Amino acid sequence: GAGVSQSPRYKVAKRGQDVALRCDPISGHVSLFWYQQALGQGPEFLTYFQNEAQLDKSGLPSDRFFAERPEGSVSTLKIQRTQQEDSAVYLCASSEGPNRYGYTFGSGTRLTVV
Amino acid sequence: QKEVEQNSGPLSVPEGAIASLNCTYSDRVSQSFFWYRQYSGKSPELIMSIYSNGDKEDGRFTAQLNKASQYVSLLIRDSQPSDSATYLCAVSNSNSGYALNFGKGTSLLVTP
Repeated sequence: GAGVSQSPRYKVAKRGQDVALRCDPISGHVSLFWYQQALGQGPEFLTYFQNEAQLDKSGLPSDRFFAERPEGSVSTLKIQRTQQEDSAVYLCASSEGPNRYGYTFGSGTRLTVV
Repeated sequence: QKEVEQNSGPLSVPEGAIASLNCTYSDRVSQSFFWYRQYSGKSPELIMSIYSNGDKEDGRFTAQLNKASQYVSLLIRDSQPSDSATYLCAVSNSNSGYALNFGKGTSLLVTP
């Protein structure tokens, strides 16, 4: 596709519910990143994939957060037993290589936990 | 102390003026520097990147980098109301691995 596609655009979850957020990167992009952006804050790094390999997951806030990219293209960010503090916009980005050259973000998924 | 600091603003400038946005960073070995623009309710959009000391110009935008003083700035000439947005400074360094460290952003308002 022409850009990074994320779905759903909006998600409302009840506290304790599991959610799955999808990212479809730009075709051929090796690198894929997930960020979390709380209201009024800059994006915070969550995890990085190079093809199907998850090379860095140091930003995942707890073991309730899990990400995968099994075939090196589409990625899913899963949050188990959602809490109110998980409410944020989850941004996916992709690039041809590592972060040295900046990258393109998708439109994000706004998660609200009630 | 956050690694990348920005004044949250809002910074208000009249249409046609120069808007100056500043960013400081704490890690001296930082290597790559980026400015993203984010409109309300939208995702960040890359507008400038800079890797070496000095100025880099792209249209109405100029990025300035001073590694000795650990600051990077963005100048927007002939500011337009459509430039009103939050501007995010992002930095990558050896310690951050593959991540970009973002500041909180500066809100810019260009008034007609």
